[in-house]
Amino acid sequence: DQQVKQNSPSLSVQEGRISILNCDYTNSMFDYFLWYKKYPAEGPTFLISISSIKDKNEDGRFTVFLNKSAKHLSLHIVPSQPGDSAVYFCAASLSGNTPLVFGKGTRLSVIA
Amino acid sequence: DAMVIQNPRYQVTQFGKPVTLSCSQTLNHNVMYWYQQKSSQAPKLLFHYYDKDFNNEADTPDNFQSRRPNTSFCFLDIRSPGLGDAAMYLCATSRDTGGVLAKNIQYFGAGTRLSVL
Repeated sequence: DQQVKQNSPSLSVQEGRISILNCDYTNSMFDYFLWYKKYPAEGPTFLISISSIKDKNEDGRFTVFLNKSAKHLSLHIVPSQPGDSAVYFCAASLSGNTPLVFGKGTRLSVIA
Repeated sequence: DAMVIQNPRYQVTQFGKPVTLSCSQTLNHNVMYWYQQKSSQAPKLLFHYYDKDFNNEADTPDNFQSRRPNTSFCFLDIRSPGLGDAAMYLCATSRDTGGVLAKNIQYFGAGTRLSVL
């Protein structure tokens, strides 16, 4: 039973356009959400996070939106760049130092 | 640079032959995790240490064991690898001090890809 779902295995976007990666979750007790980025042959690296008490968090080109009533979050990348091509994992946690629950990831390809 | 290092990057073992994967960290984090990731799947937590306290996930097979001799090192032992254990194994660390964000961020090594012949 997947508690964190990323239903799009892949996404292709033109350079300069917006990339929107989606994530749904089932456990309403999750209170912290994170996005990780993974390049081939490297481990996942932390990208951006959001607490359940917020509905938006922005860091440069990256913005995460949280809709608690829909149990849905999304990562927006604008403008998309070829270097953004990677696998993006959505993860959720119940509280600090509890293990993260990951989605399966979405492979983003940004085409020049 | 402070980091999480996993050795080896690629490991080939034979069916049933014990294998040990290692992880070291220079971040001085108290919490360490081992994940298994199969192709196109989400990383799946096997176990984690909160300092020396070992926490096993309920569905982690007995075939998988772990040791943490000190803060810096953590080992994953697979006692009798089966073909189904071929996967990427990821080690991660996190802080146990600081705010909620600091505690939630996990730092990953590059992983060890295990093949079982």
